[in-house]
Amino acid sequence: QVQLVQSGAEVKKPGASVRVSCKASGYTFTPYALHWVRQAPGQRLEWMGWINAGDGNTKYSKKFQDRVTITRDTSASTVYIEMRSLRSEDTAVYYCARGGDPGPLDYLFDFWGQGTLVTVSS
Amino acid sequence: DIVMTQSPDSLAVSLGERATINCKSSQSVLYSSNNKNYLAWHQQKPGQPPKLLIYWASIRESGVPDRFSGSGSGTDFTLTISSLQAEDVAVYYCQQYYGTPLTFGGGTKVEIK
Repeated sequence: QVQLVQSGAEVKKPGASVRVSCKASGYTFTPYALHWVRQAPGQRLEWMGWINAGDGNTKYSKKFQDRVTITRDTSASTVYIEMRSLRSEDTAVYYCARGGDPGPLDYLFDFWGQGTLVTVSS
Repeated sequence: DIVMTQSPDSLAVSLGERATINCKSSQSVLYSSNNKNYLAWHQQKPGQPPKLLIYWASIRESGVPDRFSGSGSGTDFTLTISSLQAEDVAVYYCQQYYGTPLTFGGGTKVEIK
């Protein structure tokens, strides 16, 4: 069965960076898209960007493109998101989510990771 | 950006009764070349990640009970739970996958009356 297992909770100070991982299993890693979505307290779900696990191409929301990098390690079936220059407003649960059928459903989230809480506090 | 607006913000429904959630997009998410609506519904139970319920506006994901149904086209969509069960208590989100940035509605919290 498809599983996306994320790394554990992080506590960071303002200005620091954080990297969250998402390990995929139960399917062939490379044809699928992997997305990152965050959920700040009391806020709606917010899409941050995605990576094509096959060719490594990425696309980011304009809101995050200057501070976020998404990468993947195909040998480990793992995707990473790194966020820099953290501020208190970045406190949120960060989710990875798999895209649906490669091509027509790249932008549909059909499986989600369990979420990683990132707390930014001085 | 496509703005997704859901209503109501919350609703309380008796067990076995119908729950209806609305979602409106700021522009059409109907792709004319394939006549498909790029609209999905996700369910998020407390303390859990979201779970895909419906895509292409009306197609149930595998394993989703048939009491859940989606309808609508263009800019106006509805999620209906025909007979509410206790396990359906959750927040429901619509999401457009027509184009980036991918966007979600603000969520509708469904509770038992």
